[in-house]
Amino acid sequence: DGGITQSPKYLFRKEGQNVTLSCEQNLNHDAMYWYRQDPGQGLRLIYYSQIVNDFQKGDIAEGYSVSREKKESFPLTVTSAQKNPTAFYLCASSAQGLPRYEQYFGPGTRLTVT
Amino acid sequence: AQSVSQHNHHVILSEAASLELGCNYSYGGTVNLFWYVQYPGQHLQLLLKYFSGDPLVKGIKGFEAEFIKSKFSFNLRKPSVQWSDTAEYFCAVTPGANNNDMRFGAGTRLTVKP
Repeated sequence: DGGITQSPKYLFRKEGQNVTLSCEQNLNHDAMYWYRQDPGQGLRLIYYSQIVNDFQKGDIAEGYSVSREKKESFPLTVTSAQKNPTAFYLCASSAQGLPRYEQYFGPGTRLTVT
Repeated sequence: AQSVSQHNHHVILSEAASLELGCNYSYGGTVNLFWYVQYPGQHLQLLLKYFSGDPLVKGIKGFEAEFIKSKFSFNLRKPSVQWSDTAEYFCAVTPGANNNDMRFGAGTRLTVKP
């Protein structure tokens, strides 16, 4: 089955700790994305990567970091510098080369920081 | 700033009622338009998309959307909703040449009463 997996589904952390969210895809997509979903605000782009070893900041990158060492993996680290980290995080991927490809989404990780 | 607006935050309908969810965007140039759906506990799925051609687009599960360029709108419709359509619906837009800049509306929560 082709798709995007995110783990874990629920994650709890204490304030001040960094936490890494996993995202893996087996769709052979070049581009991968991280979004944050908050109630009433839709999805906001944190980071995206068009190719291995390259990534770009989205609208709300502050307090987050990413890496793209492998085509199929795009982990997101929520650092202690993120002021309001409790949210639902969605990973997505898309084919590259043409602008007309839709993004495919993973099931999401709900992060709660107390 | 470029944005996507979904004017209805929460819509409540009875089964068999007709549905129309509004979506307006503020991009001035060529756009690609999408509607995604998020069923309770599931990941975002693509309902339909518009790139060019016939402005009336048919999607899955009986949904359709009409692109009206002069109104910068891409409203989602379904003639007769079912209880299983209860979900959150997101309109999304990418500029014509850049799939990495997908902007989402805040979402509309649809509740269908049996």
